[in-house]
Amino acid sequence: EPEVTQTPSHQVTQMGQEVILRCVPISNHLYFYWYRQILGQKVEFLVSFYNNEISEKSEIFDDQFSVERPDGSNFTLKIRSTKLEDSAMYFCASSVPVGEKLFFGSGTQLSVL
Amino acid sequence: KQEVTQIPAALSVPEGENLVLNCSFTDSAIYNLQWFRQDPGKGLTSLLLIQSSQREQTSGRLNASLDKSSGRSTLYIAASQPGDSATYLCAVTMDSNYQLIWGAGTKLIIKP
Repeated sequence: EPEVTQTPSHQVTQMGQEVILRCVPISNHLYFYWYRQILGQKVEFLVSFYNNEISEKSEIFDDQFSVERPDGSNFTLKIRSTKLEDSAMYFCASSVPVGEKLFFGSGTQLSVL
Repeated sequence: KQEVTQIPAALSVPEGENLVLNCSFTDSAIYNLQWFRQDPGKGLTSLLLIQSSQREQTSGRLNASLDKSSGRSTLYIAASQPGDSATYLCAVTMDSNYQLIWGAGTKLIIKP
């Protein structure tokens, strides 16, 4: 069965450093998403992406965050200057039409020291 | 603002029992509701999706119901097995922006 792939599975970085989290969505999907889950808290929506542009973003997704689909397969989340509070599990997801069944990757555990 | 609540937060039952997990939401303007399973350190697996116009969905031993007007959904697991042990998350897709709003989950332990 097709799946969403995320790399790396774990990322440790120093505060203030830039990180890029990578995702390969399912090939025929059109909508891409990033969610995050801080340890012990609810999953939170960050951003959705369609047709090479952001379609929705949450208050969390400030100027420190950006997303990109640099080629036909990868979908990336960049955090420009990481903060301690950015430590979380970051999940990438994709869907064919918007709002329908989402397929999630296994996540990237980001630890900011 | 949509709030999604799941009760109980944790549940431990012997193998073989039937069980019900509850999810409630405050804003009925939803597009659909999904139940997910999360295993420790792993991703989120969609179990069932119920459209706002539907009342229930079934997949194997799982049955999910939706009462949109009262803001409630239940996930029924029949004949539970140790392999069902995981955290079960409920999430609603908002009509307005298709964002998923999540509950905190129910951590389920099935004892052999």
